[in-house]
Amino acid sequence: EDKVVQSPLSLVVHEGDTVTLNCSYEVTNFRSLLWYKQEKKAPTFLFMLTSSGIEKKSGRLSSILDKKELFSILNITATQTGDSAVYLCAVDRYNNNDMRFGAGTRLTVKP
Amino acid sequence: DADVTQTPRNRITKTGKRIMLECSQTKGHDRMYWYRQDPGLGLRLIYYSFDVKDINKGEISDGYSVSRQAQAKFSLSLESAIPNQTALYFCATSDIAGTGAVGELFFGEGSRLTVL
Repeated sequence: EDKVVQSPLSLVVHEGDTVTLNCSYEVTNFRSLLWYKQEKKAPTFLFMLTSSGIEKKSGRLSSILDKKELFSILNITATQTGDSAVYLCAVDRYNNNDMRFGAGTRLTVKP
Repeated sequence: DADVTQTPRNRITKTGKRIMLECSQTKGHDRMYWYRQDPGLGLRLIYYSFDVKDINKGEISDGYSVSRQAQAKFSLSLESAIPNQTALYFCATSDIAGTGAVGELFFGEGSRLTVL
């Protein structure tokens, strides 16, 4: 059965720290991996990764995909309290209209 | 205004009651989805629709039904609510060419349902 596993499940850091969130997957017909940020309610899109080794960046956030080892990481540098959220990883698959989500990593950034 | 709007945002009901959650979107996307989110389980797909005449079951469709009234409207019904349907429900849309993939999802704000 296809699965997406995120680690850690929760993480508490202080402002200014750098964090790395992990997402590993075992799926058939992999198409892309997506990261979302969920602060209070609606998840909001961060990145879509389809190719190995190509880093995507947006400000202090960056992500990369390893299709050989079947994982992705999301890095956040110089964390701020506004980065506190649940970060969701999801895998989109060819020939499948059900995107498979991980359980999420809850990040808490303390002042 | 949000591109994907869900109503109600919060609802408390009793076991056995019929509940409808509504979703409307202004993004012009053909594809609409209903997901359920439970702590520790991530989001799971309940139903999805590619157009008004196309309705498909997702991973956890038992106990739910849907109606696609128009391209912009997709409602989720619980015919007889039970406590384990207490969850956060999300409507989402996507716009991707071809079939067999989802692409980027655009989520509504969520509807928190509590069944007592």
